[in-house]
Amino acid sequence: AQSVTQPDIHITVSEGASLELRCNYSYGATPYLFWYVQSPGQGLQLLLKYFSGDTLVQGIKGFEAEFKRSQSSFNLRKPSVHWSDAAEYFCAVAALGTSYGKLTFGQGTILTVHP
Amino acid sequence: DTEVTQTPKHLVMGMTNKKSLKCEQHMGHRAMYWYKQKAKKPPELMFVYSYEKLSINESVPSRFSPECPNSSLLNLHLHALQPEDSALYLCASSQDSGGLGGYTFGSGTRLTVV
Repeated sequence: AQSVTQPDIHITVSEGASLELRCNYSYGATPYLFWYVQSPGQGLQLLLKYFSGDTLVQGIKGFEAEFKRSQSSFNLRKPSVHWSDAAEYFCAVAALGTSYGKLTFGQGTILTVHP
Repeated sequence: DTEVTQTPKHLVMGMTNKKSLKCEQHMGHRAMYWYKQKAKKPPELMFVYSYEKLSINESVPSRFSPECPNSSLLNLHLHALQPEDSALYLCASSQDSGGLGGYTFGSGTRLTVV
C-alpha cells in the first residue's frame, strides 16, 4: 500500500523568505503525487500535481514541486512567501490496483508566516 | 462551473437524529468521494462512487450511509451518530474513476454530534 510522510509538522518562516516543504512517498510503481493547501475550517485546494514527464511541476500561487524518484521525494517550494500562504499543506499520493481511486494523505505541515 | 458544493456548512445533531449531508458538482466528473477529517489530522477516505456505483467502502460503520442519486449528486445519510463522529466531512470529485486527473474538494460540512 502507498504511504506519504511529511517530516515537518510545523514550519515558521518570515514573509519574503523562501520555503521548502518536504514530502516522501512509498509506492511500488510510478506514483501520482499531489500537493493540497487547506486554510482553517476550509476544504482542500489543489496546488499542483505530478503524473509523468517533466519532474519540475509548476502550480498555482507561485508554488512548484520537484519529483525525485531516487529519493522518493516530492518537495514543495516557493521562492518568496506571502502572509496569505499561512495554512496547512498536505502531500498526497494516488495509486492503481486495489487502491484504485484512493488518495492517501501525509500528516500535513502547518505553515506560519511572520511579518 | 469548477466547484464542488457542500451543504450545509455547519450541522449540529443529537445522537438520535437523522440528517443528511449533500454534495453537488457540475463538472461532468464521474467519480465522487466522501472523506472525514478530524482536527489536526489529514482527511481519511470513507467512500468512493464511480459511475454512480459504490466502488470503495473503507469499513465505515453502518450509521453512515452514502447515496449517489445521479452523476452530479452525492449524499451522506447520518443516523445514530456518536460524539466521536464530530468532524469535517469533505466531498470530492474527479474526472475519471481512478482520481488520477486530480481531485476537486468542497469546503466541507462541519458536523458536531451532541
